Amino acid sequence: GENVEQHPSTLSVQEGDSAVIKCTYSDSASNYFPWYKQELGKGPQLIIDIRSNVGEKKDQRIAVTLNKTAKHFSLHITETQPEDSAVYFCAAVTGTASKLTFGTGTRLQVTL
Amino acid sequence: DTAVSQTPKYLVTQMGNDKSIKCEQNLGHDTMYWYKQDSKKFLKIMFSYNNKELIINETVPNRFSPKSPDKAHLNLHINSLELGDSAVYFCASSHLGSGYGYTFGSGTRLTVV
Repeated sequence: GENVEQHPSTLSVQEGDSAVIKCTYSDSASNYFPWYKQELGKGPQLIIDIRSNVGEKKDQRIAVTLNKTAKHFSLHITETQPEDSAVYFCAAVTGTASKLTFGTGTRLQVTL
Repeated sequence: DTAVSQTPKYLVTQMGNDKSIKCEQNLGHDTMYWYKQDSKKFLKIMFSYNNKELIINETVPNRFSPKSPDKAHLNLHINSLELGDSAVYFCASSHLGSGYGYTFGSGTRLTVV
């Protein structure tokens, strides 16, 4: 089955700096890669996603890149703000049953 | 309007009891899921239903029994609760095949004492 690895597990940046979270996946059949933000006491919220036929996607301060050959995808957050502090999960969707396999999460702390 | 809603939000119960968690989605999705998040925040799929039909059944103890009365509802019943069942359980829904629009509920924190 699919295995998704995520690094780093914790990330601390100063407000205004950029943050990068990296993930790798194992199953070349995975075709959709969403990123989720989870705040304390809440469910994961979709913040950006990318399909396997696209290399890069941007939405304001957030961007995602995908390298299918290397099976890598990354989340980039620019001009970080304190409200960006949360746990971020990458994920890969595989197969016709739309099974979502999550990475292990990155706790992002944005300090003033 | 809540897209994926779960009840209850918190559930504290004694070992050996039987409990149920309910989930409803109003997004028009045809597939619903249960995920478990452990104390280390790791999220893992348990079950998936598509139009009331079970399509994913991961290695989960048979004390856990999902039930989907229709494509907008997916419930989770747990028999003979154990301490190790303590976790946050998330319901989610999406369109089958693409996975697009995968949306999660706010979770049910189950504590077994």
